[in-house]
Amino acid sequence: QVHLMESGGGVVQTGRSLRLSCAASGFNFGIYGMHWVRQAPGKGLEWVAVISYDGSDKTYGDSVKGRFTVSRDNSKNTLYLQMNSLRPEDTAVYFCTKMRATYSTEDAFENWGQGTMVTVSS
Amino acid sequence: QFVLTQSPSASASLGASVKLTCTLPSGRRSYAIAWHQQQPKKGPRYLMKVNNDGTYIKGNGIPERFSGSSSGSERYLTISSLQSDDEGDYYCQTWGTGIVFGGGTRLAVL
Repeated sequence: QVHLMESGGGVVQTGRSLRLSCAASGFNFGIYGMHWVRQAPGKGLEWVAVISYDGSDKTYGDSVKGRFTVSRDNSKNTLYLQMNSLRPEDTAVYFCTKMRATYSTEDAFENWGQGTMVTVSS
Repeated sequence: QFVLTQSPSASASLGASVKLTCTLPSGRRSYAIAWHQQQPKKGPRYLMKVNNDGTYIKGNGIPERFSGSSSGSERYLTISSLQSDDEGDYYCQTWGTGIVFGGGTRLAVL
């Protein structure tokens, strides 16, 4: 059974940094591209970043480009999101997601974590 | 970056059926989409992938009451025999030139 568990959220001041983790289990983590998606309070879903199955390919949404870095450790079945220069508009629940297709960076999101809340205070 | 269009809200009575729509831009009418359900205070849950030919692939454990279909640039999610816990937000998602989400449809079960 696929399980994704995010952690690392919290309250942080504007300009500071935070690192989120996503622990994966129940599937062969090393053959799936993984994504981060966020949801601001009362708003819809916003795609944040993707990393390929082997970590060689990374792409970011325009709102986080240059500030956020996605990475993974396949030996630990863990996905990360390093968030620097945080802004109040980054306040959101952050979800990690697994796609249906293997060895791909774009497909339907088949599994979601429960999310971790990040609050950036000004 | 293109836009997926969803109606902001929908409603239907308990036990009835409802059909939600996600519209692709005209230049992307061959794209598949995925439907995700988000119940209040919960994370999203994958429901199904709907292809442009109307076939669909449901996620594990998704009841038979949920089905998908397609017509032109529109992709549909039909929920029959509505239950109270079907209330929530429904998002469509597509890919191919980046990941794109629709704005979501809030479904009320009356």
